[in-house]
Amino acid sequence: GNSVTQMEGPVTLSEEAFLTINCTYTATGYPSLFWYVQYPGEGLQLLLKATKADDKGSNKGFEATYRKETTSFHLEKGSVQVSDSAVYFCALSSPQTGANNLFFGTGTRLTVIP
Amino acid sequence: DAGVIQSPRHEVTEMGQEVTLRCKPISGHDYLFWYRQTMMRGLELLIYFNNNVPIDDSGMPEDRFSAKMPNASFSTLKIQPSEPRDSAVYFCASKGGGLANTDTQYFGPGTRLTVL
Repeated sequence: GNSVTQMEGPVTLSEEAFLTINCTYTATGYPSLFWYVQYPGEGLQLLLKATKADDKGSNKGFEATYRKETTSFHLEKGSVQVSDSAVYFCALSSPQTGANNLFFGTGTRLTVIP
Repeated sequence: DAGVIQSPRHEVTEMGQEVTLRCKPISGHDYLFWYRQTMMRGLELLIYFNNNVPIDDSGMPEDRFSAKMPNASFSTLKIQPSEPRDSAVYFCASKGGGLANTDTQYFGPGTRLTVL
């Protein structure tokens, strides 16, 4: 089946620290991979995505590389800011389901302190 | 574009009452999804529609939950009767289909439901 496992939080970092949030997946075939971000009191927003192996998604200083050999899509940012405090969700969509369903991880809460 | 619109943003009701949540997807999107988010279970897909037709409702927890999409610009999720364990944030999302098919879903701001 399809599933996503992501690093449990919460994660607390100081401003300008390096961020890694691990995400691994199980899927049949070649899924598309996503990171969504949820700011306090808001809905989920797409942060970045990658649709095939070795693709790198990037946005707002965040990056993630689709690694088929390790079935991973780890989220990284070189220097976090207080405004990055949010919950981050790794997700996949599988062509076996017509790429219509998104399978989400449990979310990782990030708090950045000044 | 106004994005996905949900109403109400907050709902507090008493056990046994009927609750109706509403969603307006992004214009032109062919797919609409209803999710539920709780601390215990995370984000769960309840049901999704394509061209107003329910495609997969396997995530609907029980018969107390029902969803409709009478037209391309409106959907409802109804809980009758409501129970305290239904307390959660309910999200609606939409995405494009057909020639513009994309696997990116766009989420509304959610409805926070509290059942006392």
